[in-house]
Amino acid sequence: KQEVTQIPAALSVPEGENLVLNCSFTDSAIYNLQWFRQDPGKGLTSLLLIQSSQREQTSGRLNASLDKSSGRSTLYIAASQPGDSATYLCAVPLPGGYNKLIFGAGTRLAVHP
Amino acid sequence: GAGVSQTPSNKVTEKGKYVELRCDPISGHTALYWYRQSLGQGPEFLIYFQGTGAADDSGLPNDRFFAVRPEGSVSTLKIQRTERGDSAVYLCASSLRSGLSSYNEQFFGPGTRLTVL
Repeated sequence: KQEVTQIPAALSVPEGENLVLNCSFTDSAIYNLQWFRQDPGKGLTSLLLIQSSQREQTSGRLNASLDKSSGRSTLYIAASQPGDSATYLCAVPLPGGYNKLIFGAGTRLAVHP
Repeated sequence: GAGVSQTPSNKVTEKGKYVELRCDPISGHTALYWYRQSLGQGPEFLIYFQGTGAADDSGLPNDRFFAVRPEGSVSTLKIQRTERGDSAVYLCASSLRSGLSSYNEQFFGPGTRLTVL
């Protein structure tokens, strides 16, 4: 059974810091891994999708890496800003299960000025 | 083009009442998913439609929950005899298609926040 875990559950940092969010999964047979952002009371915004054949993806100040063999992914945020404050969720599709996504519980990030 | 839309954005109801939540997927997307997100948790899968039929409803918690997609576009999630434990954000997502050995990115709507008093 695929389980997704995110550490830490919450993080508070001063503006400008570089930070790393962690995601681990128990079954390495994944098509891809996706990172989402969720603002309070809002839906999910896709940030990065890493295919299983890739090692990393970058978008602006965000960089996501994937190590299938160890069942881990990290989301690196450079030069954090108060506008980065949100909950970050990682998810993997369940192979053979019509790709329903299995989510972690998320990391709540607060970046203070 | 327009993204996934959901209505209402908020719904407050009393225990025991019936509610309907609506999802309008992205035009042309044949796959549609419903997820439920409780406070402090990640979304959990409820049901998946490919076209008009529910291909996987294994995530529905009990028979009070039912979903339809009669014309292969708009979907309605129906909850009978609501309970306080049903309070959550209900998210809808759509994708171009989905199969047992392929993946297409899912795009999420803003969700409906259901509160059962």
